[in-house]
Amino acid sequence: ILNVEQSPQSLHVQEGDSTNFTCSFPSSNFYALHWYRWETAKSPEALFVMTLNGDEKKKGRISATLNTKEGYSYLYIKGSQPEDSATYLCAFIPISNFGNEKLTFGTGTRLTIIP
Amino acid sequence: EPEVTQTPSHQVTQMGQEVILRCVPISNHLYFYWYRQILGQKVEFLVSFYNNEISEKSEIFDDQFSVERPDGSNFTLKIRSTKLEDSAMYFCASRVSGAYNEQFFGPGTRLTVL
Repeated sequence: ILNVEQSPQSLHVQEGDSTNFTCSFPSSNFYALHWYRWETAKSPEALFVMTLNGDEKKKGRISATLNTKEGYSYLYIKGSQPEDSATYLCAFIPISNFGNEKLTFGTGTRLTIIP
Repeated sequence: EPEVTQTPSHQVTQMGQEVILRCVPISNHLYFYWYRQILGQKVEFLVSFYNNEISEKSEIFDDQFSVERPDGSNFTLKIRSTKLEDSAMYFCASRVSGAYNEQFFGPGTRLTVL
């Protein structure tokens, strides 16, 4: 059983503040890590696919880093806006799932931006 | 922009009844998945489908579950005899072939078994 964990489980952040949260995964047999943003009643939306140790990816105010040797990824949001309120999910793929690429999800971090 | 669609958005059924959850993946995608999230738990993998056959299934995906791609567009999940513990949000996802490609998710079907 793959252990993929996210912390914190929930987070309240004042509008305009920056924030970050963590996804931890098994450090051995790494293949890829996905980040998704999921708003209630909508489809989970892919943010990043992280594949290489040291990867840093950015989309607007959101960025992510990856450390495969120690088994964690950080997601950062700069200058939070109300529309950033969502659940952020990470999903791990070990090398044994190469080809099929089924996702093993973390618990999610529920982010609420306070206006 | 192409998107994965799912119907119905909410299905209520009696225990023991059969349900079919429907998905229309993005048209040029070749890999298809079903995931589910029981309330308060993690999103979990059920089954993947490629080249008109199941490529992998989880322990959850027992004989009560089946998937089908009856035509070129639909991808269905059937639960033959629903149990209370099947109540969950069911997500369909699809992706193109090749490595490291994101999976595109539908909005989900909330299944409630009474």
